Amino acid sequence: DVKVTQSSRYLVKRTGEKVFLECVQDMDHENMFWYRQDPGLGLRLIYFSYDVKMKEKGDIPEGYSVSREKKERFSLILESASTNQTSMYLCASSGEGAGETQYFGPGTRLLVL
Amino acid sequence: GENVEQHPSTLSVQEGDSAVIKCTYSDSASNYFPWYKQELGKRPQLIIDIRSNVGEKKDQRIAVTLNKTAKHFSLHITETQPEDSAVYFCAAWMDSSYKLIFGSGTRLLVRP
Repeated sequence: DVKVTQSSRYLVKRTGEKVFLECVQDMDHENMFWYRQDPGLGLRLIYFSYDVKMKEKGDIPEGYSVSREKKERFSLILESASTNQTSMYLCASSGEGAGETQYFGPGTRLLVL
Repeated sequence: GENVEQHPSTLSVQEGDSAVIKCTYSDSASNYFPWYKQELGKRPQLIIDIRSNVGEKKDQRIAVTLNKTAKHFSLHITETQPEDSAVYFCAAWMDSSYKLIFGSGTRLLVRP
């Protein structure tokens, strides 16, 4: 059974703070993804990674960066949090190859004041 | 650009009725189409998927149809139950950019 976990369910931060969101998967998946979910907009891809130390920009990378130092862990970093980054953040992982099922973490609801 | 459109945004049905959610995609090279269900406060979970080499797939009360020529696919839920109430997302795998593009979601309410 695939397990994807995220470090926090809820976070409250202040504008300008540096924010770290962590995601860990236990299925030895090559691919990992960060999405943000906003009402009426579905899930939008921020960044993804196909291998350790590799990263690719998604559709909305501005204001974010990522780190993948180990295969099982993918971190999303908000360098200087802003109020428009208040959102639900979802991590996902999938096996190697195109069109593999993505398994999601429980999500982190971030509020930036 | 790459795009998946999903309709309707909200759907209310009586228990026992059928529900249909429709999606269209822009990239004719797309070849994998999953559907996710997200219950309130929970993570999205895959409920069914279809690949481009088949036109229909069924799993109990859930079915998905794919029309590659028209670039649209649909989710059909029969004999709906209150526990089917959730937000449903369609998605299409874009081989050109190696990404899964999601629709905007459909909030389904099944009235007892």
